[in-house]
Amino acid sequence: AQSVTQPDIHITVSEGASLELRCNYSYGATPYLFWYVQSPGQGLQLLLKYFSGDTLVQGIKGFEAEFKRSQSSFNLRKPSVHWSDAAEYFCAVALYGNKLVFGAGTILRVKS
Amino acid sequence: DGGITQSPKYLFRKEGQNVTLSCEQNLNHDAMYWYRQDPGQGLRLIYYSQIVNDFQKGDIAEGYSVSREKKESFPLTVTSAQKNPTAFYLCASSIGLADSSYNEQFFGPGTRLTVL
Repeated sequence: AQSVTQPDIHITVSEGASLELRCNYSYGATPYLFWYVQSPGQGLQLLLKYFSGDTLVQGIKGFEAEFKRSQSSFNLRKPSVHWSDAAEYFCAVALYGNKLVFGAGTILRVKS
Repeated sequence: DGGITQSPKYLFRKEGQNVTLSCEQNLNHDAMYWYRQDPGQGLRLIYYSQIVNDFQKGDIAEGYSVSREKKESFPLTVTSAQKNPTAFYLCASSIGLADSSYNEQFFGPGTRLTVL
């Protein structure tokens, strides 16, 4: 069955430090890949997406993600984290028929 | 402003009662979705609809029902048959269901349901 794994439930980084959130997927073909962010009690906002082409994609708020086919990974990165980045981050894949399958999420804490 | 609205933001219900969550969109989207979010489990698809008067079960439809009488509205009813209804519920919409690509889903702000 298709699945999305985010191995880190919580991550804490210092403000100004770099960030990498991990995402692995299990799917036969190369799916459409996404990263969403959710502030507490809010809906989801799309950070970036990968459909095809350049494997390094740029998103909003200074985030980027790299698709690695050999590792079935789509890790999210940011060179310098701001306190406002504290939120929960979800990796997702889109299956046939526009259905999204989400990972369990990673909660990011930023310490000053 | 175009967007998706969900009401109420917080909802409390007693065990054994049915409750209906509202979702409205003015984006002129054909497809709408309901997700359930539990801590540590991500989002799971409950129901989706690609056109008025049509809807399909998602991965966790048991204990839920929906209707799609208008393009703009996709209400979700949590019935007394849902064993563990306390959760955060998110509604989304997209231009349509895609056969070979993907149409971005836009999410509402969510409704937190608590069963007392």
